[in-house]
Amino acid sequence: QSALTQPASVSGSPGQSITISCTGTTNDVGNHNLVSWYQHHPGKVPKLILFEDTKRPSGLSNRFSGSKSGNTASLTISGLQAEDEADYYCCSYADTDFYVFGTGTKVTVL
Amino acid sequence: QVQLVQSGAEVKKPGASVRVSCEASRYTVIDYYIHWVRQAPGEGLEWLGWIYPSDGDTNSARKFQGRVTMTMDTSITTVYMELSSLRSDDTAVYYCVGEPTGTSGFDFWGQGTLVTVSS
Repeated sequence: QSALTQPASVSGSPGQSITISCTGTTNDVGNHNLVSWYQHHPGKVPKLILFEDTKRPSGLSNRFSGSKSGNTASLTISGLQAEDEADYYCCSYADTDFYVFGTGTKVTVL
Repeated sequence: QVQLVQSGAEVKKPGASVRVSCEASRYTVIDYYIHWVRQAPGEGLEWLGWIYPSDGDTNSARKFQGRVTMTMDTSITTVYMELSSLRSDDTAVYYCVGEPTGTSGFDFWGQGTLVTVSS
């Protein structure tokens, strides 16, 4: 099972919106509504920010939103803030190997 | 909400085994899927497997089948992950993560345990 494909880096200015893609296959992203997203500040514990493709955990900012089309899921961060600078990972349930993470995307706030 | 506390850092030689514990404070883990996720230095997140303490069911990624064993104690407050035949590329921070249902995402993370494999 190969890792899901994410762009290595995405950047934006404060207040802008950015979108991170997560591309898989018909065996994972395209076959289940079970993509989740995680924010990881280096040296800290990863944090769940979306689950079941589009749902936010209770209390999570609505600046984070998810969508999916075919085999590609996307995370959009609107109103970009300095604190959003972190690594972001998608994860999908997979038919052949239960769970597979994405390659990770470093978000830089300019 | 369950809080997960992991055992301390380990240094192991190649070929050895390591066991990492994950203790639930305040609640038992009986109603949670407990996943194990690792991150090697400079690398991304990688899923190893899960245990469902309610019935003891376990599953693991094919890459780790035969090398990873996940168990729990009888009080169902502590789960364990043992990784055998360690190699240098098993050097990583290992996390246990609680998921309340089978679809709610990896929500409650332990603090992580650094396992270093070095001769």
